[in-house]
Amino acid sequence: DLVMTQSPDSLAVSLGERATINCKSSQSLLYSSHNRNYLAWYQHKPGQPPKLLVYWASTRQSGVPDRFSASGSGTNFTLTISSLQAEDVAVYYCQQYYNAPWSFGQGTRLEIK
Amino acid sequence: QVQLVQSGAEVKKPGASVKVSCKTSGYTFDHYAFSWVRQAPGQGLEWLGWISLKNGNTNYIQRLQGRVTMTTDTSTSTAYLELRSLTSDDTAVYYCARLAYGANFLDNWGQGTLVTVSS
Repeated sequence: DLVMTQSPDSLAVSLGERATINCKSSQSLLYSSHNRNYLAWYQHKPGQPPKLLVYWASTRQSGVPDRFSASGSGTNFTLTISSLQAEDVAVYYCQQYYNAPWSFGQGTRLEIK
Repeated sequence: QVQLVQSGAEVKKPGASVKVSCKTSGYTFDHYAFSWVRQAPGQGLEWLGWISLKNGNTNYIQRLQGRVTMTTDTSTSTAYLELRSLTSDDTAVYYCARLAYGANFLDNWGQGTLVTVSS
């Protein structure tokens, strides 16, 4: 099974500053015939369901603020929040959907410093 | 708009079964597949499996094989998760999630159902 590992486990960033979360896959998520990476990012706030932020590793879901961006290919991926807002406090998960079981990373807890 | 509304919280004894429903609206039900995801207390998200609406095929995580069944009812646009032989390790919030059209990421989620297994 594919294993997804996020770093760091938790992160404290000042309001207005940049936050960066990393996600590493145990195998490449690049499906070469499609030239797409089968990776998504979700935001999960307490008491709410997870929310899709990014799919195909770098495509922002409709309605997601443009301060969220994502990049990477193969086995290494990054989610960046360019200017942290108070409402961005959450746990962030990457998930691969390349091979079932479609595993999640362990999550990164993002807090305000 | 797309809505996935799950059934209410459940309390079950060890060894019992639970069936969680996920009623959908706002889109053509049988054009999309579903996954179920759970979050145990203090833990991360765990993907449990998925069901195709095209052919009813399912794929479950290995450690739930034999205890889990995912089904759908197109007449009511509802997806179901049944989990049998419950243990305390199954205590979690269970989420249904719709797979994006033609892809396997999860673009819409239910609000979650807390299942508590306790004697």
